[in-house]
Amino acid sequence: KQEVTQIPAALSVPEGENLVLNCSFTDSAIYNLQWFRQDPGKGLTSLLLIQSSQREQTSGRLNASLDKSSGRSTLYIAASQPGDSATYLCAVRPTGGSEKLVFGKGTKLTVNP
Amino acid sequence: DGGITQSPKYLFRKEGQNVTLSCEQNLNHDAMYWYRQDPGQGLRLIYYSQIVNDFQKGDIAEGYSVSREKKESFPLTVTSAQKNPTAFYLCASSIRGGDYGYTFGWGTRLTVV
Repeated sequence: KQEVTQIPAALSVPEGENLVLNCSFTDSAIYNLQWFRQDPGKGLTSLLLIQSSQREQTSGRLNASLDKSSGRSTLYIAASQPGDSATYLCAVRPTGGSEKLVFGKGTKLTVNP
Repeated sequence: DGGITQSPKYLFRKEGQNVTLSCEQNLNHDAMYWYRQDPGQGLRLIYYSQIVNDFQKGDIAEGYSVSREKKESFPLTVTSAQKNPTAFYLCASSIRGGDYGYTFGWGTRLTVV
């Protein structure tokens, strides 16, 4: 059974710091991995999608990497801003079976001015 | 703009009542999903549909029902059989297979009063 773990559960940093959020998964048989952002009481906003054949994706100050063989992904946020404060979720799409995503429980990020 | 619309954003239900949550998408996606989010538990799949007039149970389908009469619509009914319905409900869609990622709505918060 695929399981996704995100460490740390919560992170507080000063504005301007570069930071890394971690995501690990137990089964390397995945189609892709997706990073989402969730603001309090809101839905999920897709940040980056990495296909299983890719090593990384970049969007603005965000860079996500994928090491499928070791079951790890990282989300790098450069020059963090207070507006980056949110919960960040990673999810994998396993191969075979249903099309469901398997989610981690998220990392709650607070960027202090 | 293409996207997913969930309504209402907030819903209050008396014990013993059935309520229906609406989810509409104009992305021309084949597949649609319902997830439930509880604090500390992450997102769990309730039902999903890969094609019109077909749907499958997810991990926590008991006490819920769905229909998929149109490609654009995937309503979720929370029945009186659901013992603990208070939660945040998220609808999502994808091109069939999820190869290009998933798009989520803004959510419906259901509270039993």
